Amino acid sequence: EVQLVESGGGLIQPGGSLRLSCAASGFIVSTSYMSWVRQAPGKGLEWVSVIYSGGNTYYADSVKGRFTISRDNSKNTLYLEMNSLRAEDTAVYYCASTDITGTTWYFDYWGQGTLVTVSS
Amino acid sequence: SYVLTQPPSVSVAPGKTANITCGGNNIGSKSVHWYQQKPGQAPVLVIYYGTDRPSGIPERFSGSNSGNTATLTISRVEAGDEADYYCQVWDSSSGHLVFGGGTKLTVL
Repeated sequence: EVQLVESGGGLIQPGGSLRLSCAASGFIVSTSYMSWVRQAPGKGLEWVSVIYSGGNTYYADSVKGRFTISRDNSKNTLYLEMNSLRAEDTAVYYCASTDITGTTWYFDYWGQGTLVTVSS
Repeated sequence: SYVLTQPPSVSVAPGKTANITCGGNNIGSKSVHWYQQKPGQAPVLVIYYGTDRPSGIPERFSGSNSGNTATLTISRVEAGDEADYYCQVWDSSSGHLVFGGGTKLTVL
């Protein structure tokens, strides 16, 4: 059974840093495409970042240069390092396994999410 | 950038059919995916590639896509279907992944 469990969220001041983790079971992170998707309070879904099985990484323009996606193959865990945090980064962050073909992507399994609140 | 437009809300009586639309320029040429999100829960994939259902998703959920509109259809609606529904595409021309704004389905 596929399971994704996020952790690491919390209250952080503007300009601060936070690292989110997503522990996976039931499949191998290193051979999968994995994404982070966020949802601001009361708002819709926003894709944040993806890491390909080959290691390539891509980011939404809103987080490029501030966020870094990575994985630890030995721990079967996905990470999101978030720096220079802003109030508008406040959201529930979900990790999701991602199916990518040549013409489309979709998210087939999601974690339960972890809340990041950026506020002074 | 590519924009997906969903109605903010749809209401339907139990046992009836709900149609949730997702509008986009020539969306019929794209693969559309749909997610269900119940309050306080993570999204769940309910339709992928426009018409396919993941295992465990009831046959009551179906999808279609043509022209400038994709549609998620829920037949014989139940109280447990009450949720927010999001459409999503990959826009290859811009290299952006796009979600619709979401539709809140209310079961009367």
